[in-house]
Amino acid sequence: DQQVKQNSPSLSVQEGRISILNCDYTNSMFDYFLWYKKYPAEGPTFLISISSIKDKNEDGRFTVFLNKSAKHLSLHIVPSQPGDSAVYFCAAIPNGSGNTGKLIFGQGTTLQVKP
Amino acid sequence: KAGVTQTPRYLIKTRGQQVTLSCSPISGHRSVSWYQQTPGQGLQFLFEYFSETQRNKGNFPGRFSGRQFSNSRSEMNVSTLELGDSALYLCASSLAAGGISPLHFGNGTRLTVT
Repeated sequence: DQQVKQNSPSLSVQEGRISILNCDYTNSMFDYFLWYKKYPAEGPTFLISISSIKDKNEDGRFTVFLNKSAKHLSLHIVPSQPGDSAVYFCAAIPNGSGNTGKLIFGQGTTLQVKP
Repeated sequence: KAGVTQTPRYLIKTRGQQVTLSCSPISGHRSVSWYQQTPGQGLQFLFEYFSETQRNKGNFPGRFSGRQFSNSRSEMNVSTLELGDSALYLCASSLAAGGISPLHFGNGTRLTVT
């Protein structure tokens, strides 16, 4: 049962344009959502997070939007740069004290930014 | 500040053997989590340790175990290896127990079971 879903395996955008990566979830009992970026042969790197009580969080070129009613979040990268080419993972933290370090990851979306 | 260090980077084992993977967290980080990444299942949570105590465990068989030492370094062990255990094993550390403190991942140990 995939609780966090990234339905687009890949995305290709032109340098300077906006990249929008999407993520859907099925469980309403998530406290936090996070985005990680992964380059080949490296571990995932934390990008940005959002609490379930907010609907937007911004950090430089990266903005995450959360739509709780639709159980959907998205990551916007503006402007996109070739160095942003990587696999992006959406992750969620279930609420409850027993789930403190347990991240549930989506399958990932491979972003390619073309010069 | 040094990042999360995982050793070894690559490992080849035979079915039925056991394996121990090591993880050194970022200095000052007391929480260590382990994840398994496979092409079919993606990134799946194995377990989390904080101050030498296992705080949470994922849905993996008892062949998968781990521990954390007083210096926060962690090891995970897989006994009676199966072909399906071939994966990238990622260790992550954070300041406190809880995913609210972002996880910092190591580069992983690539385990191949033949």
